[in-house]
Amino acid sequence: ETGVTQTPRHLVMGMTNKKSLKCEQHLGHNAMYWYKQSAKKPLELMFVYSLEERVENNSVPSRFSPECPNSSHLFLHLHTLQPEDSALYLCASSREGHPTQETQYFGPGTRLLVL
Amino acid sequence: KNQVEQSPQSLIILEGKNCTLQCNYTVSPFSNLRWYKQDTGRGPVSLTIMTFSENTKSNGRYTATLDADTKQSSLHITASQLSDSASYICVVIRGFGGSYIPTFGRGTSLIVHP
Repeated sequence: ETGVTQTPRHLVMGMTNKKSLKCEQHLGHNAMYWYKQSAKKPLELMFVYSLEERVENNSVPSRFSPECPNSSHLFLHLHTLQPEDSALYLCASSREGHPTQETQYFGPGTRLLVL
Repeated sequence: KNQVEQSPQSLIILEGKNCTLQCNYTVSPFSNLRWYKQDTGRGPVSLTIMTFSENTKSNGRYTATLDADTKQSSLHITASQLSDSASYICVVIRGFGGSYIPTFGRGTSLIVHP
């Protein structure tokens, strides 16, 4: 275990559903990230939160909406998704500071299937 | 364009053998390079972090090299074990204006057979 947990681990949803992914870190980090990992593609950085403020939004469609209520929790709210959004969604956290100290600790991911 | 290319895409070796994975990048400005191991069904786990001035860094049976001039890195695995079967991801971090943005490779899928 890396100290980063994600729920649910698996999710199947229809295109009209609304669901949320949850991430929690117990490492005392102050930066959190959402990544999308599709089959045979590199990890894609979606959002970065530093000190609870969004500092990066990597051209992600508005059907994905992040929320960071505090430094330990990160949510990804999903609505009206498309089948191509099916992927593994990974959460990570790190300690802001010197770049070589910003090792990101990843959660186990949520495997999402959109029907 | 900032890209990270990894080769081979997949690799099968016998237990106990050595192997080397390659990573070429065009990311700029360079901050640091990392290798991650991702087991099936799990998130990536950091193996090594290398800065511009570092040529070699080891973590147990894993040894990473970096040639910042040719923009190439390699990950050498010695005396492979069945538990080494995983995807190995090369990540190059761009650093500018206080921001550090990762660019990920597609990964090399390694299978170690008994």
